[in-house]
Amino acid sequence: LAKTTQPISMDSYEGQEVNITCSHNNIATNDYITWYQQFPSQGPRFIIQGYKTKVTNEVASLFIPADRKSSTLSLPRVSLSDTAVYYCLVVPGSSNTGKLIFGQGTTLQVKP
Amino acid sequence: DSGVTQTPKHLITATGQRVTLRCSPRSGDLSVYWYQQSLDQGLQFLIQYYNGEERAKGNILERFSAQQFPDLHSELNLSSLELGDSALYFCASSADGGTGDTQYFGPGTRLTVL
Repeated sequence: LAKTTQPISMDSYEGQEVNITCSHNNIATNDYITWYQQFPSQGPRFIIQGYKTKVTNEVASLFIPADRKSSTLSLPRVSLSDTAVYYCLVVPGSSNTGKLIFGQGTTLQVKP
Repeated sequence: DSGVTQTPKHLITATGQRVTLRCSPRSGDLSVYWYQQSLDQGLQFLIQYYNGEERAKGNILERFSAQQFPDLHSELNLSSLELGDSALYFCASSADGGTGDTQYFGPGTRLTVL
């Protein structure tokens, strides 16, 4: 599985757009990029998943360049409740096991 | 609310003891996963079951075992507990257990070993 690298922590202010970048240099052709969010003492929650270009849902956008060696999670107009740990994961595209390998994640602190 | 339930919410026990953690997956989901989250190791995959059968194994200790029952609920058994087993244990479920399947995590069981 491709190793991911993301910043350990980020600070932002309410109302700002936050971009968290993840590098995954050894991503395989069939791998997907998936992001999860985790609040303290709660289980992780799926945010978004993509393969290439751009994916958008009601919560976030995911930008993946053509070489797919990195990806950027974009959170528009964050609020205090977006303070959480954000995990970038690379998921094999052709496997019958769904096990997730979590890295250290990025702790996002949103300030008023 | 993810629809995944875990019991108990908290568990305090002593070293050497044995405990059982229980998980009920979301309605319709066939696959169950167990993860351990500790301060020093982060969030680690332990084991996956699909429709009663073991499908994948991670860094699960030999003192730990799990199973998925015909009604699809799962139990994680931890025995000969050590101080280092203190952690949050999460159960997750997904529809068919394959790649790209969104996993829904339960609220976790916080285990404290004294």
